[in-house]
Amino acid sequence: DAKTTQPPSMDCAEGRAANLPCNHSTISGNEYVYWYRQIHSQGPQYIIHGLKNNETNEMASLIITEDRKSSTLILPHATLRDTAVYYCIVRSRGGFNKFYFGSGTKLNVKP
Amino acid sequence: GAVVSQHPSWVICKSGTSVKIECRSLDFQATTMFWYRQFPKQSLMLMATSNEGSKATYEQGVEKDKFLINHASLTLSTLTVTSAHPEDSSFYICSAAYSDGGEQYFGPGTRLTVT
Repeated sequence: DAKTTQPPSMDCAEGRAANLPCNHSTISGNEYVYWYRQIHSQGPQYIIHGLKNNETNEMASLIITEDRKSSTLILPHATLRDTAVYYCIVRSRGGFNKFYFGSGTKLNVKP
Repeated sequence: GAVVSQHPSWVICKSGTSVKIECRSLDFQATTMFWYRQFPKQSLMLMATSNEGSKATYEQGVEKDKFLINHASLTLSTLTVTSAHPEDSSFYICSAAYSDGGEQYFGPGTRLTVT
């Protein structure tokens, strides 16, 4: 079962930063936070993941609060192609543990 | 790297027939593959987990006799929807993982329509 809560939708102006929040208040110490996105009628695309430190890659930054009960995905300069449903997933460390998707956030990037 | 393909990308079949969907990891060996189903405007729902050479593990509420999963090699898993009915119409997505603790790589999905 999904262990995350996300707002159903958000709007963002093109070129601005998109900040997508996720609540995972029941996360355990050995659980990672993963972010994926799904563009309409396609398979989900991996974005980033982290355990407790902030992470950054070429796509996005992940900020995890000190108590690890919430996180924020940051797309620094959103483009129209970033319009998608973004999923925050909590996954146990090690092993081929499963992903249980929540309802996600529909990000609408507007010109 | 880490590309997963699915075949077919879409299929239409008549009620009562069976349909097979293939999931392949193209550039890596996937010890574990996962199958999801997604209805319109809904999130992905995990159906089953399959490990190469062993029986699949199904999520609660998923009929194992209806959704047959075979993971015959490290690069191929198949999902067969047996005796399909209109309510089985959905978007079926597979994913593959190649390392302990690694992320899952998703296929592009297969849209099944049962008439």
